[in-house]
Amino acid sequence: QVRLQEWGPRLVKPSETLSLTCNVSGYSIGSGFYWGWVRQSPGKGLEWIGSLYHTGTTFYNPSLKSRLTISADTSKNQLSLRLNSVTATDTAVYYCAREGYCSPTTCSYFSFWGPGTLVSVST
Amino acid sequence: SFDLIQPPSVSVSPGQTATITCSGDRLGDKYVCWYQQKPGQSPLVVIYQDDNRPSGIPERFSGSNSGNTATLTIRGTQAMDEADYFCQVWDTSNSWVFGGGTKLTVL
Repeated sequence: QVRLQEWGPRLVKPSETLSLTCNVSGYSIGSGFYWGWVRQSPGKGLEWIGSLYHTGTTFYNPSLKSRLTISADTSKNQLSLRLNSVTATDTAVYYCAREGYCSPTTCSYFSFWGPGTLVSVST
Repeated sequence: SFDLIQPPSVSVSPGQTATITCSGDRLGDKYVCWYQQKPGQSPLVVIYQDDNRPSGIPERFSGSNSGNTATLTIRGTQAMDEADYFCQVWDTSNSWVFGGGTKLTVL
């Protein structure tokens, strides 16, 4: 069973960098699938942040691209997120997730999710 | 960017059929996934690839997608189905796009 667990600082100051790590078990990141980060501001909907293909190629939400880095450490089977210059609008629950199986190449969704971690941006 | 539009809320009586829509330009050309999210929980896939149900998801959940609208249908809605529902597609710009979400109330 694929399991994901996000961890990192719960409180980040404005203008600083938000850094999160996702521990993955039950499947090797480098073996296949897209791996993604999704966030949800309090009381709001889901927002795709970015994804990493198992080959290392990354895709970012255009609205966050200038501040965002997603990477993977396959030796530790970890996915990482760094978001620079944060503001209060970056306060959200951050989820890491793995793509589910879908045969058409134009089909992609997130089947496995971590429990999420709430990150607050505040002084 | 590709936009997905959902009604903010839908209400249904227990045992009746709930219908939640998701609209987008030529949405029928894409594959739609539906997530259920209950308070304090991570999203759960209830439909993928338009009309496929993952193992463990009750048969009362079904999906369709044609033209500009995808639909999630819950037949015989139960109190436990009360949740937020989000549609999602993968766009050819290599983006994963979510709808704004629909709060389903069972009353």
